[in-house]
Amino acid sequence: DTGVSQDPRHKITKRGQNVTFRCDPISEHNRLYWYRQTLGQGPEFLTYFQNEAQLEKSRLLSDRFSAERPKGSFSTLEIQRTEQGDSAMYLCAHGLAGVRSGELFFGEGSRLTVL
Amino acid sequence: AQSVTQLGSHVSVSEGALVLLRCNYSSSVPPYLFWYVQYPNQGLQLLLKYTSAATLVKGINGFEAEFKKSETSFHLTKPSAHMSDAAEYFCAVSDRGTGGFKTIFGAGTRLFVKA
Repeated sequence: DTGVSQDPRHKITKRGQNVTFRCDPISEHNRLYWYRQTLGQGPEFLTYFQNEAQLEKSRLLSDRFSAERPKGSFSTLEIQRTEQGDSAMYLCAHGLAGVRSGELFFGEGSRLTVL
Repeated sequence: AQSVTQLGSHVSVSEGALVLLRCNYSSSVPPYLFWYVQYPNQGLQLLLKYTSAATLVKGINGFEAEFKKSETSFHLTKPSAHMSDAAEYFCAVSDRGTGGFKTIFGAGTRLFVKA
């Protein structure tokens, strides 16, 4: 158990619909990350939070994507007007800030299929 | 910018044979380096990490990796493959200078183990 819960695990939607994914880390790790993974590829960094502050966003994150982390606890990733190219596994991970840490603890992911 | 290159998208070994998965990195500062494993339909799990202590790092399930600065490599090895090692393996680099805040993954190597 990595201490990261993601919901839903699977989402099938039609092109143009909005979807929202939720990530609940159950520890006090103050860094939270979103990654996207497509078939046969490694996870691609999307964005990360330190507490409630969103500190960096990848260029992969178009204006249709928005992420929030209110109160520095759970996080949501919303995709508006989904496109077929958004089909992927969306991974949430948390990590502890500090010089000696760097490893990430991943959830099992939310798989999105856009028809 | 940091980057990781994994040589070989697929590696096949016989049960009991040596496992060698190759990883080369590029980093402008001394890196944190990681190997993660992903079993089917599961999230990524940390195998081992290098954080500037011993250059030979031992991880879970009998895996180890050696950091070679001169070769910018961090290859993963296991003396004797087991059927349960069949999975996808990801090498990753994290920027030490900013406290490991962003981790970049390689494209992955899928390990097949033949009986």
